[in-house]
Amino acid sequence: NAGVMQNPRHLVRRRGQEARLRCSPMKGHSHVYWYRQLPEEGLKFMVYLQKENIIDESGMPKERFSAEFPKEGPSILRIQQVVRGDSAAYFCASSPPGAGANVLTFGAGSRLTVL
Amino acid sequence: GENVEQHPSTLSVQEGDSAVIKCTYSDSASNYFPWYKQELGKGPQLIIDIRSNVGEKKDQRIAVTLNKTAKHFSLHITETQPEDSAVYFCAARESDYKLSFGAGTTVTVRA
Repeated sequence: NAGVMQNPRHLVRRRGQEARLRCSPMKGHSHVYWYRQLPEEGLKFMVYLQKENIIDESGMPKERFSAEFPKEGPSILRIQQVVRGDSAAYFCASSPPGAGANVLTFGAGSRLTVL
Repeated sequence: GENVEQHPSTLSVQEGDSAVIKCTYSDSASNYFPWYKQELGKGPQLIIDIRSNVGEKKDQRIAVTLNKTAKHFSLHITETQPEDSAVYFCAARESDYKLSFGAGTTVTVRA
């Protein structure tokens, strides 16, 4: 069982570029969550997705950020026109249907650095 | 929404001593409180959790206590070892699928 797989592990972008972060959930998990960890802070909820559905995106900035979890393939967190404040570690977690926050398995994270 | 505060932010202990991390939460409706350990360069891993219908839970050298009335919960690590050095996060379940995390405690175990 490979666990939650995230890539890239490290990503460097210049201001104004786009960042795409990918997450493949654990086998058997169909629910995906994205959290952001700013330096010296805890994880902050961004978005909760099921296959082809965004359930709750209340933690996502209204502009430049989007997320999807297509029927086939990984979940993608997309950040357009990145700014320095987007530099953070972005963690994906997954859970089986019905388990919710009680059974979250986190990936190793994608660390975005914006120059 | 839920607000979780965690103290201390850093903790240095001598190997073999105990470490205690404390958290408070704001929403009395919260009923699930996990603790995560994050090692350098890795994602958070669940190490222990407690539900609001119990006051204490133990797993080998790790224990968690919950005081619902005061809305605080604590992690206790006994007989600390160098491999316990990591960042520890407390969390409270804000909804069926959302966790609110504390800011983290960096624990350093001195050999």
